[in-house]
Amino acid sequence: GESVGLHLPTLSVQEGDNSIINCAYSNSASDYFIWYKQESGKGPQFIIDIRSNMDKRQGQRVTVLLNKTVKHLSLQIAATQPGDSAVYFCAEDQAGTALIFGKGTTLSVSS
Amino acid sequence: DVKVTQSSRYLVKRTGEKVFLECVQDMDHENMFWYRQDPGLGLRLIYFSYDVKMKEKGDIPEGYSVSREKKERFSLILESASTNQTSMYLCATGRGDGYTFGSGTRLTVV
Repeated sequence: GESVGLHLPTLSVQEGDNSIINCAYSNSASDYFIWYKQESGKGPQFIIDIRSNMDKRQGQRVTVLLNKTVKHLSLQIAATQPGDSAVYFCAEDQAGTALIFGKGTTLSVSS
Repeated sequence: DVKVTQSSRYLVKRTGEKVFLECVQDMDHENMFWYRQDPGLGLRLIYFSYDVKMKEKGDIPEGYSVSREKKERFSLILESASTNQTSMYLCATGRGDGYTFGSGTRLTVV
């Protein structure tokens, strides 16, 4: 079946660096994508979303990029902080079904 | 804010026991979902429900059932728990603009 995946299971960065977390999806019919952050002991929390009619969306310190040509999604975190350490999941909505999640990337930020 | 409450944070059950995981949401959403989360596998959909008394199988429904008798409550049932069902279970609710998750129930089957 089709699924959403992430390129790297772990990513380590220094405080203050910019982080980029990547995700590949395979269903060209997906029209809505979401990034979630999961801190230890908590459920995933919504960070930012993007619809398929856009290629970029910015939030506070975060940017999501969507490249429909190669079915690629990325999350960019500017000036990464220790509080950004968490597991990050991408998810796709295939319209009418439940969200499908990727396997997650663990971001570790060192001071 | 939408609140999703899972009744237990940690559970330890014996093989063969019948296990109930409860989830309650307080925003009158029609849609509710159960996922399990395992290291390296991400979140996998077990069951979901779009309305009271309605249920749909997700990607890994084997060994599980669900109950949706009231709109705010969605229960996940392990009819006969097995050790391979040791996992983190996450309940969620939401619409087309993303989900809100509970804090999860970490179930250990011994």
